[in-house]
Amino acid sequence: DQQVKQNSPSLSVQEGRISILNCDYTNSMFDYFLWYKKYPAEGPTFLISISSIKDKNEDGRFTVFLNKSAKHLSLHIVPSQPGDSAVYFCAAPIGGYALNFGKGTSLLVTP
Amino acid sequence: GAGVSQSPRYKVAKRGQDVALRCDPISGHVSLFWYQQALGQGPEFLTYFQNEAQLDKSGLPSDRFFAERPEGSVSTLKIQRTQQEDSAVYLCASSLDPTGNTIYFGEGSWLTVV
Repeated sequence: DQQVKQNSPSLSVQEGRISILNCDYTNSMFDYFLWYKKYPAEGPTFLISISSIKDKNEDGRFTVFLNKSAKHLSLHIVPSQPGDSAVYFCAAPIGGYALNFGKGTSLLVTP
Repeated sequence: GAGVSQSPRYKVAKRGQDVALRCDPISGHVSLFWYQQALGQGPEFLTYFQNEAQLDKSGLPSDRFFAERPEGSVSTLKIQRTQQEDSAVYLCASSLDPTGNTIYFGEGSWLTVV
């Protein structure tokens, strides 16, 4: 049963524009969310996180927004760069350690 | 190297063959995790070790899957009598503590069962 859902398998954005990646979740007990970035043939790397006590967290070009009432979060990348092209996973921990991942969204940033 | 190291990177196994996948975590990391990522899916949790103790193996899909970390460092994921549905990338991760933002993933072992 998929508790973290990323319904857009792919997204294409022009360099310099904003990329918005969406994530929905079903488990209201989740209190912490993470975004991971994955290049081909590499393991996922941590990008940014947000606690459920916040509705926004920003780190440079990356901002994550959390809407708890809608059980929805989004990752904004602005401005997008070609090097941002990767698969992005939304995840939430269960039991404090086991990460529940979405299926990922493949972002392509075109020059 | 300083990262999580996994071997072999690529493995082709005939159906019914046993395989062993190795993970060398970052030195000093007490927590170690195994995840399975099938094609087009996100990683799925398999098992969790704290030092040599396997605290959670609820994600192992069948009793053909076995993981160990006998000395609290290197871990091995063993799959017996492999089936085609076992084809996936097996990711190992380690952390000083279990919180998600300090988890470091290896590059994965790509298993194809033919």
